[in-house]
Amino acid sequence: DAGVIQSPRHEVTEMGQEVTLRCKPISGHDYLFWYRQTMMRGLELLIYFNNNVPIDDSGMPEDRFSAKMPNASFSTLKIQPSEPRDSAVYFCASSRTGDSPLHFGNGTRLTVT
Amino acid sequence: GEDVEQSLFLSVREGDSSVINCTYTDSSSTYLYWYKQEPGAGLQLLTYIFSNMDMKQDQRLTVLLNKKDKHLSLRIADTQTGDSAIYFCAESPEGFQKLVFGTGTRLLVSP
Repeated sequence: DAGVIQSPRHEVTEMGQEVTLRCKPISGHDYLFWYRQTMMRGLELLIYFNNNVPIDDSGMPEDRFSAKMPNASFSTLKIQPSEPRDSAVYFCASSRTGDSPLHFGNGTRLTVT
Repeated sequence: GEDVEQSLFLSVREGDSSVINCTYTDSSSTYLYWYKQEPGAGLQLLTYIFSNMDMKQDQRLTVLLNKKDKHLSLRIADTQTGDSAIYFCAESPEGFQKLVFGTGTRLLVSP
């Protein structure tokens, strides 16, 4: 299995631009998670899906952030408009069931100038 | 609130044992986890322990859990340079779906 695949690996954009991060979970995994990692705040859970349905988005920072999962093999995290404080590494993770370990992708490093 | 604390940095020599410590806050966590993050990569699950256990051993890894003190430790025997990474502990106060990660401990192994 290829593991969780995220794209792009790096994204540099200017403040105010729209940013879309992509994730392909491991086939057969029913849960998908978006995390953000920064030096100041560590790892934060933004949102997670079960069977393509958003279950908990309480970690999404503000309305500028949105996430979708149109099918079992694809999810996006969108930031519109982006701000410099959004600069971070964004991780996607998936798990097979409700009590199985998380498998993380290699992350997208976002820099907003 | 939830707060998982770890020391930021640990330096050891190759062949020595490493002990990484973690304190957590929520006694209702069913599982406690250790993850490893190598440069430029995501987190990889190393091991986990069920909350009713005191110890778990898995090859070079030993996890100790002190529920009374809410203290978790990871011991790596015969540490190798390839073990250099950031190690995160995590608790699951609301179930696995909402893991709360510690700040991470950067382990540096020198030859």
